[in-house]
Amino acid sequence: EIVLTQTPLSLSVTPGQPASISCKSSQSLLQTDGKTYLYWYLQKPGQSPQLLIYEVSNRFSGVPDRFSGSGSGTDFTLKISRVEAEDVGFYYCMQSKQLFTFGPGTKVDIK
Amino acid sequence: VQLVQSGAEVKKPGASVKVSCKASGYTFTDYYIHWVRQAPGQGLEWMGWINPHYGDTTYAQKFQGRVTLTSDSSINTVDMELRRLRFDDSAVFYCARVRHFGSGLADSWGQGTLVTVSS
Repeated sequence: EIVLTQTPLSLSVTPGQPASISCKSSQSLLQTDGKTYLYWYLQKPGQSPQLLIYEVSNRFSGVPDRFSGSGSGTDFTLKISRVEAEDVGFYYCMQSKQLFTFGPGTKVDIK
Repeated sequence: VQLVQSGAEVKKPGASVKVSCKASGYTFTDYYIHWVRQAPGQGLEWMGWINPHYGDTTYAQKFQGRVTLTSDSSINTVDMELRRLRFDDSAVFYCARVRHFGSGLADSWGQGTLVTVSS
């Protein structure tokens, strides 16, 4: 089973400041088709998860451009260039190279 | 696009629960339906998927033998049945749609269904 770890597990950010979350995989997520199946989801308080980033670096429709994803192989990063109050919640990385697993989640709140 | 799930349930240990996910706004058989569990205060845990077009399924090893996903394209609904419930099965269960096999791009989620296991 592919295990995803996230750091930090908690992040308190001043509005307007950047934030960064790391996701590391126990195996490379590069698939034989050349794609890397790493995703980022945000679960806002009391809501269902919502897709932010797919296949490492592609912003999903409607996701603000302050969110960006990068990385390759086993190491990935989600960056928020300027955190806003509406960005609070839990951020999860997820892989679908081998079945599906989520990282433990990173709680982001506002200072 | 909407995925609307059935309402909250309270079950006793050892019982079974069936949660439904009704899809609308798209061609039902064009998307896989995945199920994700979230225990209170915990993270997301993938349970399995079903392809409503053919009915084929894949389950996470942790739930093998206890979970069954079924689909009914006449009513655009997928059901998730979890058997032999334990106290630690108390959770919110979500359904989500994914377009392609092997993709993790879940672009629409249900509102979640709370299942409480209590004696």
